[in-house]
Amino acid sequence: DIQMTQSPSTLSASVGDRVTITCRASQSISSWLAWYQQKPGKAPKLLMYKASSLESGVPSRFSGSGSGTEFTLTISSLQPDDFATYYCQQYISYSLTFGGGTKVEIK
Amino acid sequence: EVQLVESGGGLVQPGGSLRLSCAASGFTFSDYWMTWVRQAPGKGLEWVANIKHDGSDEYFVDSVKGRFSISRDNALTSLYLQMSSLRGEDTAVYYCARSLGWRDAFDIWGQGTMVTVSS
Repeated sequence: DIQMTQSPSTLSASVGDRVTITCRASQSISSWLAWYQQKPGKAPKLLMYKASSLESGVPSRFSGSGSGTEFTLTISSLQPDDFATYYCQQYISYSLTFGGGTKVEIK
Repeated sequence: EVQLVESGGGLVQPGGSLRLSCAASGFTFSDYWMTWVRQAPGKGLEWVANIKHDGSDEYFVDSVKGRFSISRDNALTSLYLQMSSLRGEDTAVYYCARSLGWRDAFDIWGQGTMVTVSS
């Protein structure tokens, strides 16, 4: 199975900060990567697909990049609504896997 | 409104069985792959199983193979997860989610249903 490793596991930031989350795959997944946002007690919400494509309705302050084994999710200017946990997920193989998550906390 | 609504969760003893359902509405259910993803309390997301549009292909995470089965009824626009030989480590919120293909992200998720395996 393809292992997905996110860093950091927790990130403390302030409103207005630029935030970057990294996701590494144990083998190449081309651009078959998605990013999700999850708030406590809620279902995950799709933010990005195909590594860099923004899901409809998601604010443009979110962006994704990378291919192969290394990927990043960037929030250009952190807003109060963005404090949440973020997960990456590969979907190149039938055995789907998620990263362990990155919790973005208020500094 | 596009919607997925899970049901069927609850408390079950170790070794017991449970059947989860996911009712879909607002979209052409038979056009989509459907997936179950779970999240143990305080933990991350784990893919459990998925099934092709027409039910002809299905895939499972190793830890549930032989214990869980996935099925769908396109006429009733419903997805199911039959869970048997349940263990404590199966305790989680179970979400259903849709994707247009097997190589697509999950764009719509249900609200989840909690399964607790405990004596």
